[in-house]
Amino acid sequence: RKEVEQDPGPFNVPEGATVAFNCTYSNSASQSFFWYRQDCRKEPKLLMSVYSSGNEDGRFTAQLNRASQYISLLIRDSKLSDSATYLCVVRQAAGNKLTFGGGTRVLVKP
Amino acid sequence: DVKVTQSSRYLVKRTGEKVFLECVQDMDHENMFWYRQDPGLGLRLIYFSYDVKMKEKGDIPEGYSVSREKKERFSLILESASTNQTSMYLCASSRGDRSYNEQFFGPGTRLTVL
Repeated sequence: RKEVEQDPGPFNVPEGATVAFNCTYSNSASQSFFWYRQDCRKEPKLLMSVYSSGNEDGRFTAQLNRASQYISLLIRDSKLSDSATYLCVVRQAAGNKLTFGGGTRVLVKP
Repeated sequence: DVKVTQSSRYLVKRTGEKVFLECVQDMDHENMFWYRQDPGLGLRLIYFSYDVKMKEKGDIPEGYSVSREKKERFSLILESASTNQTSMYLCASSRGDRSYNEQFFGPGTRLTVL
């Protein structure tokens, strides 16, 4: 079983709609959680950290469910520019090593 | 503006050649990382370094080595390139403070081994 698993998609989303997707992680000792965004042929960039209480950044909302070991990302009012691959990232208990999921591809269409 | 640069965007090498991939960051970060990214497998950590002259194996170190002689530079070495090392290689760096783990990535080097 992979340490961090994601539905690869693609999620085809009409412009203006809401899309949500999850990521599961296998190590219950995982400490920190993040969503990175990767545009086509570009490098990954941090989108947002995920906090235990859930957090919001504009149209993006991230949630953490430790009991079920998953995190989620919700995008409201999708824009064409939201089309990208969203990488779920987990930091284990020690050190700065991150484990990346395979990514969920989102395509926002007019 | 933070910046991580990689020596080449595209590289074509032959099987058995020694390959050097260079990465430089200008943010005075303590930590540096080398990943490879393959379709369906995501980013996988090859090696990382917490300090000058220090290195640790990641998840897939076989066939690779690294060198960190200066804080700003982290090199990935393929001693004898093989076709299964054809991939996108991404370098990243981050601050040493463990409470803040954002990694900044370079643009990547697409390596093809023939």
